[in-house]
Formats: sequence, C-alpha cells, structure tokens
Amino acid sequence: KNQVEQSPQSLIILEGKNCTLQCNYTVSPFSNLRWYKQDTGRGPVSLTIMTFSENTKSNGRYTATLDADTKQSSLHITASQLSDSASYICVVLNTNAGKSTFGDGTTLTVKP
Amino acid sequence: GAVVSQHPSRVICKSGTSVKIECRSLDFQATTMFWYRQFPKQSLMLMATSNEGSKATYEQGVEKDKFLINHASLTLSTLTVTSAHPEDSSFYICSASGGLALLYEQYFGPGTRLTVT
Repeated sequence: KNQVEQSPQSLIILEGKNCTLQCNYTVSPFSNLRWYKQDTGRGPVSLTIMTFSENTKSNGRYTATLDADTKQSSLHITASQLSDSASYICVVLNTNAGKSTFGDGTTLTVKP
Repeated sequence: GAVVSQHPSRVICKSGTSVKIECRSLDFQATTMFWYRQFPKQSLMLMATSNEGSKATYEQGVEKDKFLINHASLTLSTLTVTSAHPEDSSFYICSASGGLALLYEQYFGPGTRLTVT
C-alpha cells in the first residue's frame, strides 16, 4: 500500500532556530517527491520537487534531501521566521497510477 | 510561477441549495485538474481527477452525482456541490498540472471555504 508518513506531527521552535521535518514513504514506483507549505486557510504552495536522481535541493532557507534507497526525505528550515509557522506537507507521486499520496503534514509553530 | 485561482474564496449557503466553485489556471494550460477537500487539522483528501474534455474520475466514496465536476477547457474546471448539507461544509482546494514544463508538478489554488447552514 502506498503510504507517506511524516514526523513529527507538530513542532514548536523559537524564532531564529533551525529545524528538520521528516518524511518516509512506501510509494512505488516512485516518480517524484514534493514538499509544500500550507498556511492556515490557504492552498499549499510548492517548496521543492525532487526526482529519483536528486539528493538535495534548496529553495532559500528551505533545503530538502532525498534518499531513494531508504525512501526517506527531510526538509530543513534554517534561521526560522515567524512566517514559517504553517503545515508542511510531503507528497509522493506514483509513476504508474499518476497519483499523488499525501502525508498528514507537520504543523510548525515558530514563537518569538 | 504558475498561478491557479479559485472563486469564490468563501461561500455560505443554505442546506438543499447548490454551490459552484471555479478553478482557473491563469498562465498555463491545465490538462489535468484535481479537486480536494480538507477538514480542520487534516490532510488533503483527493475527491476527483479531471482531464480536459473527458469525464472526471472520482475517488472511492465520493458521490459523483453530488459533486459534479466539469473540465470544459484547458484553463477552467468547476465543482458543483448539489443539494448541499451541513456535513459538506469544508475547505475545497483545486490543483492543476499540465504541459511539458509543468510535468508532474501540481499548482494549488487558494481554496474555497464552504459553509452550509
């Protein structure tokens, strides 16, 4: 069964600190893995998209890693800001079905 | 980047009435559009996938007669909630993908908050 599990479920950090969110998946065959940021009451916004051959991809203060062998990905946020408070969703695309499997998200709260 | 809009952003309707939500890709042609619903503190749940000019494919458990989806052009898809009930109150989000440059990428709209009274 195709699954995407994210951890932790929620996280609280102080402004300026770094944090790392985890995503483990069992989706096969794998096409790509995407990280989205979803602010409360808004649609998800793409942060990174990674294919099988990519290990690391950065987008400003966001850096995603992918280990296709262990089927794990992480999203590292550097020097967090209050505006980083949101839900971060990991999504994996299955090549055959052309369908995406969504993780339940990690809710990040950045406090001053 | 690619932009997807939704209209309206919020809608309140009475039980038994129908509501139409529009999803538009503003600067690219969306060969595939997806409709999701999201309940508070939960992840997005795919309702249906639609390809331009063909019937939508609904996920198991989603009533096709209740949630009517039309993808009449490469830039517009609509979701109509028919005979709405309070349990249909939710956050509805569309996403779109299409074109070689956008292969496999999904761009999400800002969502529509539906409240049925």
